[in-house]
Amino acid sequence: GEDVEQSLFLSVREGDSSVINCTYTDSSSTYLYWYKQEPGAGLQLLTYIFSNMDMKQDQRLTVLLNKKDKHLSLRIADTQTGDSAIYFCAVNTGYSSASKIIFGSGTRLSIRP
Amino acid sequence: KAGVTQTPRYLIKTRGQQVTLSCSPISGHRSVSWYQQTPGQGLQFLFEYFSETQRNKGNFPGRFSGRQFSNSRSEMNVSTLELGDSALYLCASSQGQLEGTQYFGPGTRLLVL
Repeated sequence: GEDVEQSLFLSVREGDSSVINCTYTDSSSTYLYWYKQEPGAGLQLLTYIFSNMDMKQDQRLTVLLNKKDKHLSLRIADTQTGDSAIYFCAVNTGYSSASKIIFGSGTRLSIRP
Repeated sequence: KAGVTQTPRYLIKTRGQQVTLSCSPISGHRSVSWYQQTPGQGLQFLFEYFSETQRNKGNFPGRFSGRQFSNSRSEMNVSTLELGDSALYLCASSQGQLEGTQYFGPGTRLLVL
């Protein structure tokens, strides 16, 4: 079945760039998302990319999509302590963005001073 | 525009009881999806409603059910609660169109004793 995989942990130094990687299996996915979850909170949509795009930049966030390898990455420039959270990669499995979304297990990003 | 709201935020029940959770989507959004988040299983899709009809369904037992009202508000019900139903239940809304994307509420944390 459909699957989304991402590494569980990432530790970076404050001010450095963070790169969180994700692979997925459903080649028909049209929407690919990055969500952020802080402790005790719900999911915050950070950004998303359509499958016909290779890259999307939004302030400190850069999303890269390699559709051939089914690989998605999120780069956070100038990582700050407020970026500490769990980051979820997610893809839709149906014909529209409102269809079933499959989430990865989340990558816990910790920031070192 | 107000975000997705969920009530109650916290709930404690005992095994065998039933529970009803409520979700009010962003104004104008017609699709509501429900997810269960647990440490062991991660984020799992429960079901999605659009215009009062269940459009997508995940792999959960029949004890989990939902409905959507004409104003797009949605409820989910879990009957005969089990200890394993303890989780954060997240609701997400979207416009329901191809161009929409899902926005999450803060969740309802359910503890089953």
